[in-house]
Amino acid sequence: EAEVAQSPRYKITEKSQAVAFWCDPISGHATLYWYRQILGQGPELLVQFQDESVVDDSQLPKDRFSAERLKGVDSTLKIQPAELGDSAMYLCASSLAPTPGQDTQYFGPGTRLTVL
Amino acid sequence: LAKTTQPISMDSYEGQEVNITCSHNNIATNDYITWYQQFPSQGPRFIIQGYKTKVTNEVASLFIPADRKSSTLSLPRVSLSDTAVYYCLVGSGANNLFFGTGTRLTVIP
Repeated sequence: EAEVAQSPRYKITEKSQAVAFWCDPISGHATLYWYRQILGQGPELLVQFQDESVVDDSQLPKDRFSAERLKGVDSTLKIQPAELGDSAMYLCASSLAPTPGQDTQYFGPGTRLTVL
Repeated sequence: LAKTTQPISMDSYEGQEVNITCSHNNIATNDYITWYQQFPSQGPRFIIQGYKTKVTNEVASLFIPADRKSSTLSLPRVSLSDTAVYYCLVGSGANNLFFGTGTRLTVIP
């Protein structure tokens, strides 16, 4: 069964450093999502791509976060500089349909970020 | 924004049927209702999705009343491995995906 791949699985960094997370969606999935999940809370959508275009980044803290999906396949989420409050699980998901909420999102295993 | 309200936690004994209800009073005409299951340190996993009435698959049933302002996930004969957090998601477009805090289900032997 095809899966969403994410790396690294765990990342420890010091505040003010730069970090980057990578996601490879299921082949053929045009829609890609990045979520942040703080311990004890539900996932919060950060950014949504349709192919290489950003559809929604209204919740992305753009002063320090950036995301790209240059060729419409894999994607990178970057934080620079990292802050203590960024410690969380970062989840990537992909789906076939261009309209979220109408089909299945497949999630990767996530990247657990700890900022010291 | 179609936000959802679920019970924070539920306990159930093994073998029982569990029903988790989600309220979504502001659901829009185009919104679908999707339920996900999440185990610790893993990404959420799709369980079931519906628009109205009743949907059933091999693991769960989803009941949606005519006004669509709520939905109920039904898990038949739960086992210890069903202990997880369950999220009700309502959305149909950009800016409209909201997971909420979910329901923590604990299955007791």
